[in-house]
Amino acid sequence: DAGVIQSPRHEVTEMGQEVTLRCKPISGHDYLFWYRQTMMRGLELLIYFNNNVPIDDSGMPEDRFSAKMPNASFSTLKIQPSEPRDSAVYFCASSFKGRGRNLHFGNGTRLTVT
Amino acid sequence: AQSVTQLGSHVSVSEGALVLLRCNYSSSVPPYLFWYVQYPNQGLQLLLKYTTGATLVKGINGFEAEFKKSETSFHLTKPSAHMSDAAEYFCAVSEGGYQKVTFGTGTKLQVIP
Repeated sequence: DAGVIQSPRHEVTEMGQEVTLRCKPISGHDYLFWYRQTMMRGLELLIYFNNNVPIDDSGMPEDRFSAKMPNASFSTLKIQPSEPRDSAVYFCASSFKGRGRNLHFGNGTRLTVT
Repeated sequence: AQSVTQLGSHVSVSEGALVLLRCNYSSSVPPYLFWYVQYPNQGLQLLLKYTTGATLVKGINGFEAEFKKSETSFHLTKPSAHMSDAAEYFCAVSEGGYQKVTFGTGTKLQVIP
């Protein structure tokens, strides 16, 4: 099993540009999560999906952030327009149905907005 | 609402010494509790988890944790630290059966030779 795959690993962009982060969950997993990690705020849950449907997006910071999951094997997190305060490591994680199933994390995308 | 408090953002131990990382949680329903480890430039990996049943949970790499409901704690221990244990450790809680997981702020463990 290849694990959760995220791309790109690093992204450097200028303020105002659109940024798209990508995630391929583990095959067969039916939950997908997007987390953001910063020194100041730690790990924050942004949004999660169940069977490709967004369940809770209360952690999405503002309208500049959007996430989609068009099918069971792909998800995107988009920031438009990006701002320097969006600089962080963004993690995608997936899990299998059931109670208390553990999360499988990707290696993250380190985003720097200048 | 669920929340997690990890005492100590940095902990240093000597190689071979006991590792103790503290975690307290808040949950309105029976919690599911987790410890994850993060190595530099990697995602988090599950060390161990408590769902129901035995309150002493054993995980990978010789770590274990004990769920103490009366103290609302889930401290992580390892009898003898190894250099390879140097990493950041996160405690997490999920209110029974709910998929939303809340993480603590993390504890960086340094192992001194």
